[in-house]
Amino acid sequence: GQNIDQPTEMTATEGAIVQINCTYQTSGFNGLFWYQQHAGEAPTFLSYNVLDGLEEKGRFSSFLSRSKGYSYLLLKELQMKDSASYLCAVRELEYGNKLVFGAGTILRVKS
Amino acid sequence: DTAVSQTPKYLVTQMGNDKSIKCEQNLGHDTMYWYKQDSKKFLKIMFSYNNKELIINETVPNRFSPKSPDKAHLNLHINSLELGDSAVYFCASSPWTDSGYTFGSGTRLTVV
Repeated sequence: GQNIDQPTEMTATEGAIVQINCTYQTSGFNGLFWYQQHAGEAPTFLSYNVLDGLEEKGRFSSFLSRSKGYSYLLLKELQMKDSASYLCAVRELEYGNKLVFGAGTILRVKS
Repeated sequence: DTAVSQTPKYLVTQMGNDKSIKCEQNLGHDTMYWYKQDSKKFLKIMFSYNNKELIINETVPNRFSPKSPDKAHLNLHINSLELGDSAVYFCASSPWTDSGYTFGSGTRLTVV
C-alpha cells in the first residue's frame, strides 16, 4: 500500500522561497509527481521525478531521494497567484500508471 | 479546445436518484481515470480504463459503474445516490505509461 505525507498548510511572503516536503512509503515506486490545484479548479501538472536529484522548471524545482522516500517542491520568487494546494503523488509500479495522491499542502502567499 | 471535458460541471440531486457524469478527451491518450475528491480535498482513484478495458477498480461501492464506449470517452454512472457521495469527481487521461495526467475541470456532485 501507499502512505504519503505532506504538511497541511504553509504560509510564505511574496517574493520569498518556500519548500514543500513530501515523504512516502510504497511497495513499488515508479515516479513522483507534483500538481498544483487552485480552489475550485482541476489539478495541473508541475513536475515529475523518477531518478534521484533535482528537476528545475522556471520558478519551480522538485527534488527526489528514492532511498529516503522523500521529495520536495521548491517555489522561488513567490507570487500571490501561487496561493494554491500542492499535491504530491506517487506512481505505483505494478498498476500501470496509477497515481496515489497525498492530501495536499495549502500554500498561502501573503504580501 | 478543451483537452479533457466533463459534463455537467455541477450536479445537485436527491438521495436515491441515479445520475451520470460524462467525460471525453481529445488528446489521443490510451488511458482514462475517475478520481473522487472529498471535502478534505483528498484525491482518490476509483477506476481506470486502458483502451476501453478496465484495469483499475478500487474499493468502490457497486452503485458506481464506469463505462468506456471508446478510448476517448469514460462515463460514470451512479445508482441510488447517497449523501456520502457528495464530492468533486475528476476525470483524467494519460498516455499508457511514464506520464502524468491531464485532468478535467471536475463535476461537483451534491446529494441532498
